[in-house]
Amino acid sequence: QQQVKQSPQSLIVQKGGISIINCAYENTAFDYFPWYQQFPGKGPALLIAIRPDVSEKKEGRFTISFNKSAKQFSLHIMDSQPGDSATYFCAASRNNFNKFYFGSGTKLNVKP
Amino acid sequence: DAGVTQSPTHLIKTRGQQVTLRCSPISGHKSVSWYQQVLGQGPQFIFQYYEKEERGRGNFPDRFSARQFPNYSSELNVNALLLGDSALYLCASSLRLAGDNEQFFGPGTRLTVL
Repeated sequence: QQQVKQSPQSLIVQKGGISIINCAYENTAFDYFPWYQQFPGKGPALLIAIRPDVSEKKEGRFTISFNKSAKQFSLHIMDSQPGDSATYFCAASRNNFNKFYFGSGTKLNVKP
Repeated sequence: DAGVTQSPTHLIKTRGQQVTLRCSPISGHKSVSWYQQVLGQGPQFIFQYYEKEERGRGNFPDRFSARQFPNYSSELNVNALLLGDSALYLCASSLRLAGDNEQFFGPGTRLTVL
């Protein structure tokens, strides 16, 4: 059973546009939701993370929106740039455990 | 300051063989986790070690084992390799055990089983 479901599988956005990636989870015990960015040949790197006590967190061009009742969270990339082209993974974990459940990934391609 | 390092970078093995992958965490990090990332999928949790003790195990067969050394480096061992074990194996280190502290991933070891 997949604990975290991610969509879309791939995304093409024009430079300057908004990229939106969605994730849904089942386990209500999850209380930490990070997003990772992965470039080819590299390991994932933490982009931004949120706890369920807030509905939104913004860091620069990246925003996480969190809907606890719907058990959904999303990543918004504003003013998308070609350098943002990468694979993005959402993840979830319980605070007492360092076991992360990852989504299946979204390959973002930002066209110049 | 060096990040998480993993060796080797690439590895080719045949079915039935055994493999050992190595990870050096960021200096000062006491937690090391291992993940398997099959092409086109997200990483899947294999093990977590903290202060040299196993603290978590994912849904992987007993062919997979790991250990952490006094210097906090870690090894992942896979016995009796299967074709399906072909994947990128990622090591991640973090300061603490808890889930809300940042995990830093290494570049991974690409294992190909023929």
